[in-house]
Amino acid sequence: EIVLTQSPGTLSLSPGERATLSCRASQSVSNTYLAWYQQKPGQAPRLLIYATSNRATGIPDRFSGSGSGTDFTLTISRLEPEDFAIYYCQQYGTSPLTFGPGTKVDFK
Amino acid sequence: EVQLVESGGGLVQPGGSLRLSCTASGFTFSSYGMNWVRQAPGKGLEWVSAIVASGSVPFYADSVMGRFTISRDNSKNTLYLEMNGLRVEDTAIYYCAKGGGSGTYYCESWGQGTLVTVSS
Repeated sequence: EIVLTQSPGTLSLSPGERATLSCRASQSVSNTYLAWYQQKPGQAPRLLIYATSNRATGIPDRFSGSGSGTDFTLTISRLEPEDFAIYYCQQYGTSPLTFGPGTKVDFK
Repeated sequence: EVQLVESGGGLVQPGGSLRLSCTASGFTFSSYGMNWVRQAPGKGLEWVSAIVASGSVPFYADSVMGRFTISRDNSKNTLYLEMNGLRVEDTAIYYCAKGGGSGTYYCESWGQGTLVTVSS
C-alpha cells in the first residue's frame, strides 16, 4: 500500500498570501495519478486537481499542482477567504487507492 | 449536471449488515468507474472500494476486504455497497464518487454522503 504523508498538518496564513502544501508518497505514484481535494466543514470533498497538474472543471487558476515520482505540491497563489479548508491528496495509480491525512489551511 | 444520491445508512449493531445505494444522474453511468469513500467522525478520508464501468472487476481496501461487496446495476444507474460483519470502526459518512473516466478512479464528483453508525 502506498502511504501518503502531507505537510504541514496545519498552515496558518492570511488572505492574499501564498500557500504551499506538500504530499509525499512512500513509493512512486504510477502515471503521476495524484489528485487534490478540498473539504469544508459539513460538506463533501471537492476535486481540485487530477493527474498531478490538471485543474478540474470550474477550479480557479490560483490553484496549481506539480510534482512527480514521490513528491507533489499543491500551490494556492493568493488565498481567498473561501480557500480556508482542509486539503487532501490521493493517489489512484495503484490499488488500494489511498488518501493523505490532510493539511488544514486556517486563518493566522 | 452530475448528481449522486446515497441512501441506506443508519444505525446497526456490531456484526450486522447494511446495504448502501447510490443513484446517479447527469452522466452516462455505464461509462465510468465508481468509488466508495468514507470519513469517520472528525477524521480524514478513507477510500473503501471501486468498481470498473462494466461491473466486472471490483477493488477493495484491506480494511473491508471479505466483508464488503461493491456492485452496480447499469440499467438502474445505481451503485451498491453491501456491508457485512460491521464493526464499530466502520462508523462513518459513506460517500459515492464518480471516477474520472478512461479507467481512472480519482473522485471527480461526490454525493452528499450517508451516515452509517455501528453501535450496540
